[in-house]
Amino acid sequence: EAQVTQNPRYLITVTGKKLTVTCSQNMNHEYMSWYRQDPGLGLRQIYYSMNVEVTDKGDVPEGYKVSRKEKRNFPLILESPSPNQTSLYFCASLPGQGAAVFGQGTRLTVV
Amino acid sequence: QKEVEQNSGPLSVPEGAIASLNCTYSDRGSQSFFWYRQYSGKSPELIMSIYSNGDKEDGRFTAQLNKASQYVSLLIRDSQPSDSATYLCHVGGTSYGKLTFGQGTILTVHP
Repeated sequence: EAQVTQNPRYLITVTGKKLTVTCSQNMNHEYMSWYRQDPGLGLRQIYYSMNVEVTDKGDVPEGYKVSRKEKRNFPLILESPSPNQTSLYFCASLPGQGAAVFGQGTRLTVV
Repeated sequence: QKEVEQNSGPLSVPEGAIASLNCTYSDRGSQSFFWYRQYSGKSPELIMSIYSNGDKEDGRFTAQLNKASQYVSLLIRDSQPSDSATYLCHVGGTSYGKLTFGQGTILTVHP
């Protein structure tokens, strides 16, 4: 089954404790992206990757890092999480002109 | 960067009515267009894709594309309470790097 898998689904952490949210796709898509979604603000792009070792900032990259060492994986790293990063996060992958496939989402709470 | 604008919501329609959702885009060269439905707290799921001018029907859903006027719309006939969700418009193509979605239109279908 074609899918994007995110882990964990839910995470509660404390301010400053580094965390990684994993994202893996099995469709051989070149493009992958991370979004955060907050009430009333829609999907905002954090980082994207157009291929292995090619990443770039989206609209809200501050406080986040990513890497793309292999095509299928695109982890999101929060090196020092803060409460304003409490949000619902989605990973997505897509072929060049095709539709996006989203992961199940990760609800992150930073206290 | 592509710009995608959706008609402001929220949109409220009675059960059985037609719900009309609209999206305009700025890049005249765009070739693929998608509508997603997102239930609260869940990931967006693809419901319609359209690539050519005109109408495309799938069950109660009809997508309409007018490239000359640069808009794409989604009609939901015989609206049901289960259609209550946020609908996102996506204009395809990742050659620009950043990939943004419309801000979403919240649809409520009341009995």
